Amino acid sequence: AQSVTQPDIHITVSEGASLELRCNYSYGATPYLFWYVQSPGQGLQLLLKYFSGDTLVQGIKGFEAEFKRSQSSFNLRKPSVHWSDAAEYFCAVVSGGSYIPTFGRGTSLIVHP
Amino acid sequence: KAGVTQTPRYLIKTRGQQVTLSCSPISGHRSVSWYQQTPGQGLQFLFEYFSETQRNKGNFPGRFSGRQFSNSRSEMNVSTLELGDSALYLCASSADRGNTEAFFGQGTRLTVV
Repeated sequence: AQSVTQPDIHITVSEGASLELRCNYSYGATPYLFWYVQSPGQGLQLLLKYFSGDTLVQGIKGFEAEFKRSQSSFNLRKPSVHWSDAAEYFCAVVSGGSYIPTFGRGTSLIVHP
Repeated sequence: KAGVTQTPRYLIKTRGQQVTLSCSPISGHRSVSWYQQTPGQGLQFLFEYFSETQRNKGNFPGRFSGRQFSNSRSEMNVSTLELGDSALYLCASSADRGNTEAFFGQGTRLTVV
């Protein structure tokens, strides 16, 4: 069965600092990978997705993620964090044919001024 | 175009009652999925509907059910409510199944007392 691990429950960064949120997945083949963001009391918004091709994926709001097959990772990065980026971030995996996404437990991002 | 609309936004019910939540997907989207989000269990997949048929079901008891209408609108029903059913229920719509982009509604916050 597929699984997703987000090892960091909370991450605190200063505004303007760089950010990397970690995501590791467990699945035999190359899955479809997603990062979502959730603001308090809101639904999830898709930041970016990886299906195939270039392993560095650009998303909205200045985010990018890199797929590393050898490490089974899909880490999310942003070079300079803004206070408005404070939110919960979820990594998700869909394996080919299942159509059912598995979500990580989420990483809560706190941004200090 | 309009996003995914979930109604109601907030709901308070008593143990033993039943509840029906509604989800209107983005126009033209045929796939609707439901998720339960709790602090303890995170985001868990409930079921997926596509073309009025349930295509996948998560690991939830039979008290949780759903349906999809010909206009792709979906409802989920929870019978004999338990305290543990208190959660944010999220609906997501996609143009098609599986690996296409999912758009989430803001959710229905259900509190069971």
